[in-house]
Amino acid sequence: GAGVSQSPSNKVTEKGKDVELRCDPISGHTALYWYRQRLGQGLEFLIYFQGNSAPDKSGLPSDRFSAERTGESVSTLTIQRTQQEDSAVYLCASSLVVDEQFFGPGTRLTVL
Amino acid sequence: TQLLEQSPQFLSIQEGENLTVYCNSSSVFSSLQWYRQEPGEGPVLLVTVVTGGEVKKLKRLTFQFGDARKDSSLHITAAQPGDTGLYLCAGEGRDDKIIFGKGTRLHILP
Repeated sequence: GAGVSQSPSNKVTEKGKDVELRCDPISGHTALYWYRQRLGQGLEFLIYFQGNSAPDKSGLPSDRFSAERTGESVSTLTIQRTQQEDSAVYLCASSLVVDEQFFGPGTRLTVL
Repeated sequence: TQLLEQSPQFLSIQEGENLTVYCNSSSVFSSLQWYRQEPGEGPVLLVTVVTGGEVKKLKRLTFQFGDARKDSSLHITAAQPGDTGLYLCAGEGRDDKIIFGKGTRLHILP
């Protein structure tokens, strides 16, 4: 079956512009996670959805970051007024149980 | 704050050698997972350990969960170039939040 997909795979934008990153989870997975991975680093938790609700938004680094999920399926992560420090790979994962996450390939965001 | 510390941060060894990498915390975790991430891809789950003292084997990889469920180790026997990658441990902590370590970047030289 299809795994987790993310689009775009690469995004280059100018400082100050808004970007939207998309995640299509595995069908039927109720939980969806967003992480940020800076070059050479581990994963930084951003936000978690159970269904369409986000019970834990504690990882969002600033109010420029927001995310939504609809139909217990697709999720979008929006970054407004991008800054150079937002450059990273943004990874999405979905799961049926919390300790078995399936990751997408990520979106590499470069802010010039 | 629950943290997972991984060591070493980097490891470069010759093909055929054995190695062990560690994942340590001062906190108790209800489970620990090990993932491997290759360049340009997302992490892939290798194993989940749940019971203190548990040992799981996946071909040449042996995973152990500490008795107190605060630490874990990954031992690779006869490392191969295909084992190269970033090895991440993750734990299910309080409030069902998954916490990731910063990873061990492993490079196997042919």
